[in-house]
Amino acid sequence: QVQLVQSGAEVKKPGASVKVSCKASGYTFTSYYMHWVRQAPGQGLEWMGIINPSGGSTSYAQKLQGRVTMTRDTSTSTVYMELSSLRSEDTAVYYCAREAMIEAFDIWGQGTMVTVSS
Amino acid sequence: EIVLTQSPATLSLSPGERATLSCRASQSVSSYLAWYQQKPGQAPRLLIYDASNRATGIPARFSGSGSGTDFTLTISSLEPEDFAVYYCQQRSNWLFGQGTKLEIK
Repeated sequence: QVQLVQSGAEVKKPGASVKVSCKASGYTFTSYYMHWVRQAPGQGLEWMGIINPSGGSTSYAQKLQGRVTMTRDTSTSTVYMELSSLRSEDTAVYYCAREAMIEAFDIWGQGTMVTVSS
Repeated sequence: EIVLTQSPATLSLSPGERATLSCRASQSVSSYLAWYQQKPGQAPRLLIYDASNRATGIPARFSGSGSGTDFTLTISSLEPEDFAVYYCQQRSNWLFGQGTKLEIK
């Protein structure tokens, strides 16, 4: 079945970087854009950016420009989201989500908790 | 950028009642609006796309309407499993509304 499986929880110190993976299965990886969305504890959903798994092109939310990098590995059908210069406000659950042909997010990963704490 | 404002922030209703949730865009998004449901500890689930189309497997009690700047998600008769947080999203810049919490009265 179609699914996205993310890497496990991370605990990082302020100033460090984190890299979260999202492995796709059950469909043609390069045919669907992938997005990253995060959710701070008790807060709403924040769109972070998009990657085209086919060519690797990306677009990021303005507030994260310069700190976020999204990449992909077509050989393993995996996308990655790396966030640098971490601060406490980056503590959140990070989700990958597939953009369906209908241009909405039809499949979501299970989420990865990233905690930034000294 | 286009901002989505959802109302009310919290809606308290009983099972069997009708729920009406609103999402207003700061400028027209045509019919390019989606609705998601999120339960505690779970990833969001797509309910409605293009304002009024139910996603695969979504019960008929969920319906969406609207175009331009004003949109509505209606749940015709609430089931216990419908109490959750609901978000709208537009695909111009993929931003979400702040959410409406639907709680049991």
